Amino acid sequence: GAVVSQHPSWVICKSGTSVKIECRSLDFQATTMFWYRQFPKQSLMLMATSNEGSKATYEQGVEKDKFLINHASLTLSTLTVTSAHPEDSSFYICSALRDRPSTDTQYFGPGTRLTVL
Amino acid sequence: GENVEQHPSTLSVQEGDSAVIKCTYSDSASNYFPWYKQELGKGPQLIIDIRSNVGEKKDQRIAVTLNKTAKHFSLHITETQPEDSAVYFCAASYGEMAGSYQLTFGKGTKLSVIP
Repeated sequence: GAVVSQHPSWVICKSGTSVKIECRSLDFQATTMFWYRQFPKQSLMLMATSNEGSKATYEQGVEKDKFLINHASLTLSTLTVTSAHPEDSSFYICSALRDRPSTDTQYFGPGTRLTVL
Repeated sequence: GENVEQHPSTLSVQEGDSAVIKCTYSDSASNYFPWYKQELGKGPQLIIDIRSNVGEKKDQRIAVTLNKTAKHFSLHITETQPEDSAVYFCAASYGEMAGSYQLTFGKGTKLSVIP
């Protein structure tokens, strides 16, 4: 149990276009999900906290107008990278907090590799 | 805020030997400490976690110990196998009791198990 999926697993896009990444908790409900960014050989950097039915909370330095987050249901959160540029190329990973039985365990998705040309 | 230090950054062991990765944290209010394994090109996978009311937890070849007084926790892998090769991250959070679930990660340890 506690499976989190992401779609797509990789995407290549042209500079200036927008890209949407989906994060789904497949076998549990998740009121809270997180979005991370990871550069090669580095640790995970938290971008934002996504709560179902409310606005996301962004970490300092993360542009909320560039990284749009929507948590429309208890099993789905989406991250849209708007007007993507080459510097946005990275590995994006989501995680979900399982509502029950313990709410402090984060389960991670497989990640999405974004390459902006 | 919380700060998590992780050592070593790289670790090579012979197959069958044990591996130990250590982390220290700065905020005594942290009370949840998970360990994640990340293989190349994949998302992190939770392998074991421990809460502050427990000093040690074991799951087959993997164990975690926690010393709240010293504010450090360690991952122990016994009888290492080539498939244990990956990057391991420790993390800390205030946890469910504090209502804050954000994880602060260490910088990771690249473990190589040599056949």
